Amino acid sequence: GAVVSQHPSRVICKSGTSVKIECRSLDFQATTMFWYRQFPKQSLMLMATSNEGSKATYEQGVEKDKFLINHASLTLSTLTVTSAHPEDSSFYICSARDTGLSGNTIYFGEGSWLTVV
Amino acid sequence: GQSLEQPSEVTAVEGAIVQINCTYQTSGFYGLSWYQQHDGGAPTFLSYNALDGLEETGRFSSFLSRSDSYGYLLLQELQMKDSASYFCAAHSGGYQKVTFGIGTKLQVIP
Repeated sequence: GAVVSQHPSRVICKSGTSVKIECRSLDFQATTMFWYRQFPKQSLMLMATSNEGSKATYEQGVEKDKFLINHASLTLSTLTVTSAHPEDSSFYICSARDTGLSGNTIYFGEGSWLTVV
Repeated sequence: GQSLEQPSEVTAVEGAIVQINCTYQTSGFYGLSWYQQHDGGAPTFLSYNALDGLEETGRFSSFLSRSDSYGYLLLQELQMKDSASYFCAAHSGGYQKVTFGIGTKLQVIP
């Protein structure tokens, strides 16, 4: 089963509204989670690093006031797309590493398809 | 900065072997991973190389040469279900920061 869960898997929202996407680590604690977006037929682009209990670190070119990230607990990070526009329509995906293990696997959530109409 | 290069498309015959190459330029390089992604799905982890050499996991193997900033993914005994996009990804920032290549779309034909 999934070790990182995202919700919702698909969401359609009206232009100008805000949408929240949740990323949960199951069975492990994640002090750091990552948010990516992926446009059709393109690669995954890192948007930001979500740090539990502190501010997220955003990649260059990503608007922090538009893409609000909150990492309130060791198992939950949320990405809120504020004042969404059609160009924000994309596949958003989070990842987390189980720091309790010595392995090198980063787990991805199932992803969330956002369509802004 | 970070950049990775890999072929955009590869076609191979069922049962054959295919190699997908990846070159990278990454500051603070920690290791190279490979991910598989089917259309509409999330990436799934295939392999990771931190040291030079070959890592074998079933039909999939991955190779890394740090001196050449180069790696490859080798898929053997190709199956139709292997048709997917394959991403190389460079780890930096103490491993957790991952930068993805553009992805190689593999089409397996009968």
